[in-house]
Amino acid sequence: VQLVQSGAEVKKPGESLRISCKASGYSSVNYWIGWVRQMPGKGLEWMGRIDRSDSYTTYSPSFQGHVSISLDKSISTAYLQWSSLKASDTAMYYCTRQIDYYYMDIWGKGTAVTVSS
Amino acid sequence: EIVLTQSPGTLSLSPGQRATLSCRASQTLSSSYLAWYQQKPGQAPRLLIYGASIRATGIPDKFSGSGSGTDFTLTISRLEPEDFAFYYCQQYGYSSITFGQGTRLEIK
Repeated sequence: VQLVQSGAEVKKPGESLRISCKASGYSSVNYWIGWVRQMPGKGLEWMGRIDRSDSYTTYSPSFQGHVSISLDKSISTAYLQWSSLKASDTAMYYCTRQIDYYYMDIWGKGTAVTVSS
Repeated sequence: EIVLTQSPGTLSLSPGQRATLSCRASQTLSSSYLAWYQQKPGQAPRLLIYGASIRATGIPDKFSGSGSGTDFTLTISRLEPEDFAFYYCQQYGYSSITFGQGTRLEIK
């Protein structure tokens, strides 16, 4: 049972990006995939989640409109996407198995995103 | 938005001692929605406690959670070298999840 995230990315401001999170070892259980940001030297910030059963999404007000979360059920892969990156998007991004809004019990190793001109 | 305030910011203790970490919410929480995580440098966070007091799978009983309402506590008895890390509390309320700012537990 694990979440495998895509590799580190280096991008320029204004570029688009999509990072991925592939779930494996799961049975068909009702859970969500959540995304958490950790900026360099800072704490954890919940960004949003997607329901694996119907792709319904919820976003933190802090991230609503800035990122998009999607899911390809056929390959058990969730995505976090930006249409126009900013330097302030530089961070580590973790995907998680989120059990409703209660807690996040499985974490991917993280994808480091660096945005710099 | 419900704000979680963790204290102290840094806790300096020696192996073998007991650690008490606090998490205070700006509004009353349902205990069901309070969780604790441990994060070591360069690693992803790990779930320790959910439902305020339920240990996650594989978490040793030296970790315990308690509290209700606005005040919650994570206690680590008999500190071992691998316990020195960052600890975060997390809650759900008003359709969003928030984390506390973290407590750094360091070796004295």
